[in-house]
Amino acid sequence: EAGVTQFPSHSVIEKGQTVTLRCDPISGHDNLYWYRRVMGKEIKFLLHFVKESKQDESGMPNNRFLAERTGGTYSTLKVQPAELEDSGVYFCASSQGRTGHGYEQFFGPGTRLTVL
Amino acid sequence: GQNIDQPTEMTATEGAIVQINCTYQTSGFNGLFWYQQHAGEAPTFLSYNVLDGLEEKGRFSSFLSRSKGYSYLLLKELQMKDSASYLCALSGGYQKVTFGTGTKLQVIP
Repeated sequence: EAGVTQFPSHSVIEKGQTVTLRCDPISGHDNLYWYRRVMGKEIKFLLHFVKESKQDESGMPNNRFLAERTGGTYSTLKVQPAELEDSGVYFCASSQGRTGHGYEQFFGPGTRLTVL
Repeated sequence: GQNIDQPTEMTATEGAIVQINCTYQTSGFNGLFWYQQHAGEAPTFLSYNVLDGLEEKGRFSSFLSRSKGYSYLLLKELQMKDSASYLCALSGGYQKVTFGTGTKLQVIP
């Protein structure tokens, strides 16, 4: 069974440009999460999809970040325009389970974003 | 809000036992995760505790005390490949997971 995949693995862009990250969850997982780890800090929650609906987007830093999950399969996270502080590793995770219960979240390998 | 504390770094000897502690304060609690993360890789699931007590899984065990806001991860028969960061994480409402900063464990010969 394929795990969570993310594309690209690395992205280097200049301040002001746009970048789109993609996540393909494990097939059949309704729950999809985005996290970010900035250098030296802890992994921080960004948002949670249940199928195509945003269940919780309380961790999104500002309106330069837009996440979508059309059709409830893969998800994209767009940063527009990118700022220096957006640099970090963006992880995607997916899980089974009903809302309100904790279930194992399977993580993707992450996308390392560098904004110059 | 949530707050998670765990030691920044630990060193232990190959073949020994090491205990990594995690204390937390939270307003909403479903359970506590432990994840292992090797440098440059994705976190991988180790354990999930919902009820108080010790859960054993091979060389790894995890303990939870909800009343004390305390958990630990116990690694036995340490191997060099166990050198990694160990992340304590809380599962709150709607499966939102909050991570601690992680404990970097170095296993030495």
